[in-house]
Amino acid sequence: KNEVEQSPQNLTAQEGEFITINCSYSVGISALHWLQQHPGGGIVSLFMLSSGKKKHGRLIATINIQEKHSSLHITASHPRDSAVYICAAPSEKLTFGTGTRLTIIP
Amino acid sequence: DTAVSQTPKYLVTQMGNDKSIKCEQNLGHDTMYWYKQDSKKFLKIMFSYNNKELIINETVPNRFSPKSPDKAHLNLHINSLELGDSAVYFCASSLMAGSYNEQFFGPGTRLTVL
Repeated sequence: KNEVEQSPQNLTAQEGEFITINCSYSVGISALHWLQQHPGGGIVSLFMLSSGKKKHGRLIATINIQEKHSSLHITASHPRDSAVYICAAPSEKLTFGTGTRLTIIP
Repeated sequence: DTAVSQTPKYLVTQMGNDKSIKCEQNLGHDTMYWYKQDSKKFLKIMFSYNNKELIINETVPNRFSPKSPDKAHLNLHINSLELGDSAVYFCASSLMAGSYNEQFFGPGTRLTVL
């Protein structure tokens, strides 16, 4: 069993919908990374957060350290948001979740 | 300017060959990493170097040998390539060691072993 679990594995939504991707982890950490992997393969760091909430444009990430859970939300989703979203828990090293493949249909 | 660059982007080779993938970062970071992404898109760390010193060495076959000539470069050499080595290999860097630091990823090298 992976120490970092994401749900859903795949998500297809219509343009404009509010998107939520969840991440749960079993390792004891005090922060979490969210990454985005574009269809072309490149990986970009979106957030690292240790408490509460962070916002960047239409992306919002929240974390509850006690419950070992984090969510990534996308408001007013757009086809260009289509990508794989990966959460990663830092400990001795980064442990990655299995990724959520998001497809936004125009 | 590319922050973390890798060459080549694609590498197709025969089983048994030896190949290298190069990585360079111009961010002035102290720490560099190699990750492997398998066919199921699962990322896993292989190695990490901090200021040219190996700090993370996961359980990978010793056919894989990282080399860091200076802190801006971390190359990956693979001997006697096997079919199972086919994957996308990502290089990354961070300002300091420790997985709490933001990491910047290279574009990846897709290795196909025939």
